[in-house]
This record gives sequence, C-alpha cells and structure tokens, in this order.
Amino acid sequence: QKEVEQNSGPLSVPEGAIASLNCTYSDRGSQSFFWYRQYSGKSPELIMSIYSNGDKEDGRFTAQLNKASQYVSLLIRDSQPSDSATYLCAVNTNDYKLSFGAGTTVTVRA
Amino acid sequence: DTGVSQNPRHKITKRGQNVTFRCDPISEHNRLYWYRQTLGQGPEFLTYFQNEAQLEKSRLLSDRFSAERPKGSFSTLEIQRTEQGDSAMYLCASRIPPTDTQYFGPGTRLTVL
Repeated sequence: QKEVEQNSGPLSVPEGAIASLNCTYSDRGSQSFFWYRQYSGKSPELIMSIYSNGDKEDGRFTAQLNKASQYVSLLIRDSQPSDSATYLCAVNTNDYKLSFGAGTTVTVRA
Repeated sequence: DTGVSQNPRHKITKRGQNVTFRCDPISEHNRLYWYRQTLGQGPEFLTYFQNEAQLEKSRLLSDRFSAERPKGSFSTLEIQRTEQGDSAMYLCASRIPPTDTQYFGPGTRLTVL
C-alpha cells in the first residue's frame, strides 16, 4: 500500500464549477498535510497546509482533514482555466520529509 | 520564485557520465531536502540535511548517488555513471523549524541518453 494515494485523474471541470480532489494516507501518526500545485514542467508550489481536523479556507481553496478516516481533500471553487494543473497531496512523515501522492491532473474547460 | 535556486535547470548527458547539481536554499533555512520526480509520479524523497549533517538517505539513493552540504549553505547532488533510469526532475526544498513548510526550487531536469 502506498503511503499517500490520490484519486486518479484526469479531472475535467467547466469554468466556474467546483473541483474536488481526494487523498488518503496510511501513517496514522502523520500530523501535517499539504496541497501543492504543479504546472507542467515546473516545480511544486504550496497552496494549502492543514494540521487540524475540519476545514481550512484560503480564497477559492478549501482543505478538509479527517484524521480518523486518514483523509484529506481539496476543493477549488469557481474554477478558472489558470487552475489547470496537477495537484499533489503531501504528508509529513518522520523527520519532516514529505511523502507525496502521484497527483491528480485538473483541466478547467472554458 | 520561492527563493530556492537550482542549477543547472536542464542537463543532458550520455549514459555513464557523471553529473552534479547544485541547490541554494533560502538563506536562513537550515533544513535542506532532495527529491526526485519521474513523469506521472509525485516527488520521492532522496535525502535531507540539517545544517551540514546528512541525517537520512532513502533506499532510492544508490551508491552512485552522493549529496553534500559542506558549509551548511548550498548543497550538491552528484550522480556517477548515470543510467537511463536516472532521467527525472531533481528537486531541492528547504525549510526552517519550527515551520514544517518546505519550499521547492525550480528543479533540475536530467535526461540521460
């Protein structure tokens, strides 16, 4: 079992819709969770971090964490073409190294 | 731009050659991480440094790979006798405790012919 798993894509949504991305992790002791956005050919860019159960909102992005279910999600509201990218879920493991999922590619259609 | 820089940005080499990459972290960040990312996958942890001390190496880091951070500032990652399977994006990230957010550099894309 992989340490971090993401729902397979690609995910195609119309402009203005909500994109929903899911992630599960295996290490119950994980404490920190991150969502990175990666444009093609570029490096990952941090968009959200979450540490406590519940929701965390930042602009059009909402991260949700449920430690009991070992589940993290990201919602992108009012999706824009500029949101088209691969979204990586990352979890802190021992010594703060990150364990990443394979990513979900999102395409926002105009 | 996160403030983490990597050089070169692209490297094309022939199988069997040695290559070296450099990472300059954000100046006050004492933790430095190397990851490797292949097409369609997320980054995979390779190794990390606290100041000049290399504290952990992944099983992915074969004997052909070596990393250094001699003065606790910049770091180098060397791959000896490159193989086609080494073709990937090599990413460097840094952070400063107590925050656990890692900031990534632009990466070095290696192509082994």
